[in-house]
Amino acid sequence: GEDVEQSLFLSVREGDSSVINCTYTDSSSTYLYWYKQEPGAGLQLLTYIFSNMDMKQDQRLTVLLNKKDKHLSLRIADTQTGDSAIYFCPLNQGGKLIFGQGTELSVKP
Amino acid sequence: NAGVTQTPKFQVLKTGQSMTLQCAQDMNHEYMSWYRQDPGMGLRLIHYSVGAGITDQGEVPNGYNVSRSTTEDFPLRLLSAAPSQTSVYFCASGLVGSYNEQFFGPGTRLTVL
Repeated sequence: GEDVEQSLFLSVREGDSSVINCTYTDSSSTYLYWYKQEPGAGLQLLTYIFSNMDMKQDQRLTVLLNKKDKHLSLRIADTQTGDSAIYFCPLNQGGKLIFGQGTELSVKP
Repeated sequence: NAGVTQTPKFQVLKTGQSMTLQCAQDMNHEYMSWYRQDPGMGLRLIHYSVGAGITDQGEVPNGYNVSRSTTEDFPLRLLSAAPSQTSVYFCASGLVGSYNEQFFGPGTRLTVL
């Protein structure tokens, strides 16, 4: 079946850029998503990209998609302490979201 | 517009007890689902529904039942709780289609002793 791989942890200094990566074993998703989970809370959609796009910019967020390599990344510019959270890049499999383990981003002041 | 609501927020059960986790949404979404989140495991799909009267199994359905009698409600039943069901449970809802942003509830933290 389809699988999503993410590195588990990322630590950055406040003001630096963060890059969170995601690799799929296979994908036919029309849209690809980034969700954010703050401590003790549910998940919220952060941004998404249509599968025929290479890049999408949304304020401090940049999403890059390399379909050939099945690689998705999320860049957060000027990372703030409020960006500390777990980030997920689920696949859409026939309407079902398939999640990886998520990447825990820690932002140090 | 309350979005997706879940009750209770916290629950402690003894092994063998049964209970129902409630989930409701007021966005008229066709699609609803239940996930469990365990440390280092991400979210795993338990059951899902694409509309009233229709349910199907996800990745980890054993020990859980669901029903969908209305569009708004999607309760999850634990038939005989086991310590392995200690987890955080999330309900989500969304539209059916190629763009299916899902809206998540705040979660229920369940401990089975």
